[in-house]
Amino acid sequence: ETGVTQTPRHLVMGMTNKKSLKCEQHLGHNAMYWYKQSAKKPLELMFVYNFKEQTENNSVPSRFSPECPNSSHLFLHLHTLQPEDSALYLCASSQDGGGAGTDTQYFGPGTRLTVL
Amino acid sequence: AQSVAQPEDQVNVAEGNPLTVKCTYSVSGNPYLFWYVQYPNRGLQFLLKYITGDNLVKGSYGFEAEFNKSQTSFHLKKPSALVSDSALYFCAVRDGGTGFQKLVFGTGTRLLVSP
Repeated sequence: ETGVTQTPRHLVMGMTNKKSLKCEQHLGHNAMYWYKQSAKKPLELMFVYNFKEQTENNSVPSRFSPECPNSSHLFLHLHTLQPEDSALYLCASSQDGGGAGTDTQYFGPGTRLTVL
Repeated sequence: AQSVAQPEDQVNVAEGNPLTVKCTYSVSGNPYLFWYVQYPNRGLQFLLKYITGDNLVKGSYGFEAEFNKSQTSFHLKKPSALVSDSALYFCAVRDGGTGFQKLVFGTGTRLLVSP
């Protein structure tokens, strides 16, 4: 799992805190993704960045704010979260062949977020 | 819109026996199908994918999957299960249309291999 790294691995925050999740990919990919994984629910795609441009925002509340400064790094800024936002947040990357859809996504280990 | 169904929340199998984890899908175009595995406190690890070609796809750790277009299925199989195969398995599908098509995941199947 050294291909995609995520920090921190665990995060506990209060509803009024501001924190950020970091993802870094070492695979030379040009697309990066944020997913939310909650118990008993399918993975939810949150954001997609392709060539550093945000190409997808799956109706995510504004308390989640993504940032992609370059093709290797992806951040998820968090503020005024709710307890129901507690979940495992996964980052992934892929080599996007221009929307061909065949590209495999490779995932990081995730950040386990708990909102008190 | 594409969708995936994994009908079993859990599959139990004895070590050494063959295992099957079921997946059915729905897409409007040609399906691109993936299997991932997740171990505790880890991210998803790619196992195998079907894009085109042979219906039987071989992947990592001795796993294989069979694409069946008429039954819209992509079941994951392994001839002889290991205790270390115990994990959460996710099937995913993407519509092979043009433009951005998101990857849609099933709810996962927990595989428990007993010694």
